[in-house]
Amino acid sequence: AQSVTQPDIHITVSEGASLELRCNYSYGATPYLFWYVQSPGQGLQLLLKYFSGDTLVQGIKGFEAEFKRSQSSFNLRKPSVHWSDAAEYFCAVGGTTSGTYKYIFGTGTRLKVLA
Amino acid sequence: DARVTQTPRDKVTEMGQEVTMRCQPILGHNTVFWYRQTMMQGLELLAYFRNRAPLDDSGMPKDRFSAEMPDATLATLKIQPSEPRDSAVYFCASGLATSGDRNEQFFGPGTRLTVL
Repeated sequence: AQSVTQPDIHITVSEGASLELRCNYSYGATPYLFWYVQSPGQGLQLLLKYFSGDTLVQGIKGFEAEFKRSQSSFNLRKPSVHWSDAAEYFCAVGGTTSGTYKYIFGTGTRLKVLA
Repeated sequence: DARVTQTPRDKVTEMGQEVTMRCQPILGHNTVFWYRQTMMQGLELLAYFRNRAPLDDSGMPKDRFSAEMPDATLATLKIQPSEPRDSAVYFCASGLATSGDRNEQFFGPGTRLTVL
């Protein structure tokens, strides 16, 4: 079955510390992978995406993610977290089968940043 | 700056009332998605459209929910009658589906629905 797992429901880091949010997927075809961020009371904003090519992708706000096919993972990283990064982060996998346009979302990881 | 817009942003209604939520996708996008977000269930896909045709509404309670696209610039999600368990934030997203299926979705700000 197709699924996306974000093992960490909550993560707390200190401002300036590095961050890694985990995402594992199960998908029968070549996945397209996405990370979205949701600030309180807001919609989801795309941070970055992976379609093909270089497995290390750069996104907005200083985020990057690495696609590891052997581990079925697409972890999100940031070298130095800012207080404004406190939000909920969603990993999603999209289809490559023609006519399938919907995403499968993970359950989200809520990030808290300590001053 | 092209954005998905949703109206209303907040809606409080009483059980049994009809609720209509509207979404204006980004001009030129040909796919529209409706999601529901709750603390308990997280983000759930309710329905989605391509070129105004419904492709999948299996996530939607059929007896009370309906989704339509009267034209390319408007998508609606209707609940009739509404129930307290429908209280949630409803998001609309749009995208441009290409032959490569690289459908990046752009989300609206959401409609926060409270059914009393």
